[in-house]
Amino acid sequence: KAGVTQTPRYLIKTRGQQVTLSCSPISGHRSVSWYQQTPGQGLQFLFEYFSETQRNKGNFPGRFSGRQFSNSRSEMNVSTLELGDSALYLCASSQGASNSPLHFGNGTRLTVT
Amino acid sequence: GQQVMQIPQYQHVQEGEDFTTYCNSSTTLSNIQWYKQRPGGHPVFLIQLVKSGEVKKQKRLTFQFGEAKKNSSLHITATQTTDVGTYFCAGLSGTYKYIFGTGTRLKVLA
Repeated sequence: KAGVTQTPRYLIKTRGQQVTLSCSPISGHRSVSWYQQTPGQGLQFLFEYFSETQRNKGNFPGRFSGRQFSNSRSEMNVSTLELGDSALYLCASSQGASNSPLHFGNGTRLTVT
Repeated sequence: GQQVMQIPQYQHVQEGEDFTTYCNSSTTLSNIQWYKQRPGGHPVFLIQLVKSGEVKKQKRLTFQFGEAKKNSSLHITATQTTDVGTYFCAGLSGTYKYIFGTGTRLKVLA
């Protein structure tokens, strides 16, 4: 069974630009969560989608948004990029129950210059 | 908001020594999960604890969930170089939202 796939692996953007990250979950998984990982803040929860609906949201500004498609694939968008948005963005899929383990992708490394 | 802290932040041990990381939540947790992230890799699920006072073992790893369901620990007996990585606990906040601990980075010296 294929794992969680995130594209692209690396991105370099300039301040003020916007970026879209993509995540394909494990086949059969209907939940996708997004996390931001930085050395200083650890893993910070962004949002979680299940069957195209956002079920939970973290404490990030509105510049961070996401969506999920009918095939469970998910995208995350960050608008008006800031230097502080440089991070590893991890996507995790699960079967969707509250006690389901999270299966992480390899992440997208975003650098904002 | 809810916080999940882990101590220590870093730990260097000689191969063969034991290692323990502690996870403390500001609120009661429904359950707790543990993940391991190898250098350059992504977090990988290790185990889940649900019941108060629960203890689970995986070979050299022992996981405990506190009686009050606000803390947990991971103990590794006789560390090996393959144990290198960062260990995260993750507590379920409400439903469907896991709050990750700050992580403990383990280095094992051969």
